[in-house]
Formats: sequence, C-alpha cells, structure tokens
Amino acid sequence: AQSVTQLGSHVSVSEGALVLLRCNYSSSVPPYLFWYVQYPNQGLQLLLKYTTGATLVKGINGFEAEFKKSETSFHLTKPSAHMSDAAEYFCAVTGGNEKLTFGTGTRLTIIP
Amino acid sequence: KAGVTQTPRYLIKTRGQQVTLSCSPISGHRSVSWYQQTPGQGLQFLFEYFSETQRNKGNFPGRFSGRQFSNSRSEMNVSTLELGDSALYLCASSPTGVLGANVLTFGAGSRLTVL
Repeated sequence: AQSVTQLGSHVSVSEGALVLLRCNYSSSVPPYLFWYVQYPNQGLQLLLKYTTGATLVKGINGFEAEFKKSETSFHLTKPSAHMSDAAEYFCAVTGGNEKLTFGTGTRLTIIP
Repeated sequence: KAGVTQTPRYLIKTRGQQVTLSCSPISGHRSVSWYQQTPGQGLQFLFEYFSETQRNKGNFPGRFSGRQFSNSRSEMNVSTLELGDSALYLCASSPTGVLGANVLTFGAGSRLTVL
C-alpha cells in the first residue's frame, strides 16, 4: 500500500521568492511519484513525474522535484514564485499496479 | 487532441435523488478512473474501469456505482443522495491505468451540490 503526507496545508511566499512544497511518501514497492496542480474550478494538471532514473525531475512552469529515497521525500521547488503559481498542489504516489493515492494538498498563496 | 470531457459541469440535486455523471476519455485511452474531491477528505479514489471491467474499487458504499462502455466512455451513478455526497467528482483517463506509471489526465470535474 502507498500513502502520501504533504506538510503544510497552506504555504505563502512573496513574489520572486523560492517555493518549497513538501511531500513524503510511503510505499512497499518502488514508487512512481507525481505532482499535480489544480487551479480554481478546474481539474488536476500534471506538473511532473518521477518513475526511474534521474532523481531530479523538471516539470512545467519552472517547477522541479527531487526524489530522495533515503528520506522518502519528493519535495517540489521553484526558484522564483510568480503570481500565476497561486493554486493547490497535490503530491501523489502509486506502486505502478494500483490506484494513484493523493496527499491532502497544499494551497500556495503568492504575496505581491 | 481533445482532453477528458465531463458532463454536466455543475448540478444541484436534493437528498434521496440519484445522479449520473458522464466522462469521455481521451481518444485511445482505455482506462477511466473516478475520484471524489471534498475539502475535508481531499481526493478519494472511487473506482477504475478498463475495457468495460471494473479493475479497482475504493472504499465507498454501494450507492456509488459506475460502468464503462465499449467506446471507453464512462458513467458513474450515485443513488439515494446524501448531503455528504456534495463534492467535485473528477474523472481521469490514461492508456492503461497506472500500469507503467502512465499519467492520469483529468477532466475539469462535475460539481455536485446536494440540498
């Protein structure tokens, strides 16, 4: 079975500052990890995914995440926040042969 | 390439009624998954259909059901609606489900309000 913990249900950063959204996972098998973003009144959009290979994964809109097996983490970062980054972000995990399990989400607010 | 289409986008029902939601996946995708999203519970997995067969099921009561047609379109039904069923219902499609870490592509959702 898999599970995801997202630390911080709300995160606020100033425009131009570093964005760091935390995600820790639990998996009994090698995990596949995802970050999705949800804008108001919309569905989820994939930001990036980790399957195997390179542990630093680059996604859309300048986001990236690093898979750290020893820390069971997959934190999402962006060097410089933009107003358009305000949204809710979900980390998700699957073992590859069952459902995708989501974290509870982190709402990101950008302060002008 | 058309995305995942969910209809209706918004609907209001009263307790005790039933509702049917529809999902048209991306062309060529054979897997359709359904999720319920609420502020308190987050995203909860309902079920997944692949080639007209339910392959996975979450922990929801039997009032929640679904089906998939030969063209991969899927419907979910909720009978005897309760206030707690108010939620955003999201459909996601993929070529074969999460096997091989296929990405799930989500629709915009159907927002159900139960009065």
